[in-house]
Amino acid sequence: ETGVTQSPTHLIKTRGQQVTLRCSSQSGHNTVSWYQQALGQGPQFIFQYYREEENGRGNFPPRFSGLQFPNYSSELNVNALELDDSALYLCASSYDRVNYGYTFGSGTRLTVV
Amino acid sequence: DQQVKQNSPSLSVQEGRISILNCDYTNSMFDYFLWYKKYPAEGPTFLISISSIKDKNEDGRFTVFLNKSAKHLSLHIVPSQPGDSAVYFCAAIPSPGKLIFGQGTTLQVKP
Repeated sequence: ETGVTQSPTHLIKTRGQQVTLRCSSQSGHNTVSWYQQALGQGPQFIFQYYREEENGRGNFPPRFSGLQFPNYSSELNVNALELDDSALYLCASSYDRVNYGYTFGSGTRLTVV
Repeated sequence: DQQVKQNSPSLSVQEGRISILNCDYTNSMFDYFLWYKKYPAEGPTFLISISSIKDKNEDGRFTVFLNKSAKHLSLHIVPSQPGDSAVYFCAAIPSPGKLIFGQGTTLQVKP
């Protein structure tokens, strides 16, 4: 097991730009979820991917999108960045949709200026 | 609409004493709950869980209690250690793969 790794660790973007965040899931984990954690708040569910298909979505607009690849890596894409998108973005993987053993990465700190 | 609430942003206890972290939820359909611990610059790490068919689950120094009628759960840490100082999140699972987190409680354990 290699854990969950996220890149980059920190990122600064300008309002209106697009950003791609990356996550490498634990080997064998076919489910990945993305969360947004604003300062002083708990993580909020963005969406989940299971076997490369979106499998549930939280209350986030369509400019938040994702991809999951067969090699257990995934991406979170955010278009038309807004200042309120500044947050810590976490990915979490598990070996199936109903397993509760989620392993979180350390996150990407995104700052939109 | 906060479905999982941790009303105490912070808690400070002396080393060796008990730490009690509280969490309330609004949806009686939630049937599985987890506690996570988060250190700065790290992702949340799973601590302990409880199913709604139980009212208590224990793992070493950590015990989680669930009161379904009050829609309340609590995490007890006994004895507290300085290394327990972290942010603690409770979370509910409304559907597979989706966690609803509380706002977190920052625990400081003083030596």
